[in-house]
Amino acid sequence: EVQLVESGEGLVQPGGSLRLSCAASGFTFSSYGMHWVRQAPGKGLEYVSAISGDGHSTYYADSLRGRFTISRDNSKNTVYLQMGSLRPEDMAVYFCARARIVGSNELDYWGQGTLVTVSS
Amino acid sequence: QSVLTQPPSVSGAPGQRVTISCTGSSSNIGAGYGVHWYQQVPGTAPKLLIYGNTNRPSGVPDRFSGSKSGTSASLAITGLQAEDEADYHCQSYDRGLRSSVFGGGTQLTVL
Repeated sequence: EVQLVESGEGLVQPGGSLRLSCAASGFTFSSYGMHWVRQAPGKGLEYVSAISGDGHSTYYADSLRGRFTISRDNSKNTVYLQMGSLRPEDMAVYFCARARIVGSNELDYWGQGTLVTVSS
Repeated sequence: QSVLTQPPSVSGAPGQRVTISCTGSSSNIGAGYGVHWYQQVPGTAPKLLIYGNTNRPSGVPDRFSGSKSGTSASLAITGLQAEDEADYHCQSYDRGLRSSVFGGGTQLTVL
């Protein structure tokens, strides 16, 4: 059974940093691209970032480039999202998700989400 | 403002058919990129409903169907059931932004 479990939920002050983790199981992790998508309270989904299965290619929403860094450790079946210079508008539930096939952007399995609160 | 435009809400009675539109531009849907649809019950993670404009993952009832024409796509739900009450999101890729993009989401109410 495919499972994605996010962690790293927390309250951080504006300008602070936080690292989210997403532990995967039930599939050959290194064969799949992984994505982060966020959802602010009462809002729609927003693409954040993606990383290829081998970790060599990374993608970011233009508005987040330079502040967020995606990475993965295939030996630990885990993908990370390092977030810096956090702003109140970054407050959201962050989901990790698996791309259905190589090179695709449709997401067939999602984690339960982890809440990031940015407030002083 | 979302790159893809969806109606904020739609509604229908049990057994009826409803459609949800997703309007994009020549940089995304109109450029030939696939449209995907997700169902999200509030408080839970999204679930892939349709991928590549018209394809249903295993386990998704055939009451759900997708279509695409020009710069727009649509999700149709026939034989509406109470359990279909949820938020629905469309997704595609935008070549100008060089990233995936989502619609603002549509809340479906089953009357």
